[in-house]
Amino acid sequence: EVQLVESGGGLVQPGRSLRLSCAASGFTFGDYTMHWVRQAPGKGLEWVSGISWNSGNMGYADSVKGRFTISRDNAKNSLYLQMNSLRTEDTALYHCAKVLRRRIPYDASDVWGQGTMVTVSS
Amino acid sequence: DIQMTQSPSTLSASVGDRVTITCRASQSISSWLAWYQQKPGKAPKLLIYEASTLESGVPSRFSGSGSGTDFTLTISSLQPDDFATYYCQHYNSNPLTFGGGTRVEIK
Repeated sequence: EVQLVESGGGLVQPGRSLRLSCAASGFTFGDYTMHWVRQAPGKGLEWVSGISWNSGNMGYADSVKGRFTISRDNAKNSLYLQMNSLRTEDTALYHCAKVLRRRIPYDASDVWGQGTMVTVSS
Repeated sequence: DIQMTQSPSTLSASVGDRVTITCRASQSISSWLAWYQQKPGKAPKLLIYEASTLESGVPSRFSGSGSGTDFTLTISSLQPDDFATYYCQHYNSNPLTFGGGTRVEIK
């Protein structure tokens, strides 16, 4: 079964850092572009960042550029999101998502994790 | 960056109704568009990709059309399980962006 499990969320003060992880199983992780997507309470979906299967292509939403860094370890079947200089507006449920097709840099996401909650508050 | 505008933001409909949701891109994205369904407390579910290709296992009452900048998601006969929020997303290039969502509620 294809599965994505996020971890690392929690309550953090503004200006501090947090690192999210996404553990993948049930598919050849190293063949797929991966994304982070967040959803603030009661709000819509917001794409945060994406990384290609070989880490050769990465992208960020303007709202997180310069503060967040996406990375992956294909040997560990894991995706990461390093979040620095956190702001109250970063409060959201963070999902990782796998794209539909192998070795495609931009694609729809067919499998999503249930998310990990990040709360930024003093 | 490409902006995605969805309409309406809320839609009231009855079981059996034909429902249409529109999504407009601020510049051409060819057919690089996906539609997702999300229910409260759940992760999004992929319905359609490449603007009109039905994801495996998705009922045939869902269909998508369009290319360039204008796209539609149609539910031919609304079922009780379809009351949810729907999002479009382009994947033409980074940054990928979602539309604001359309909540389909019971009339």
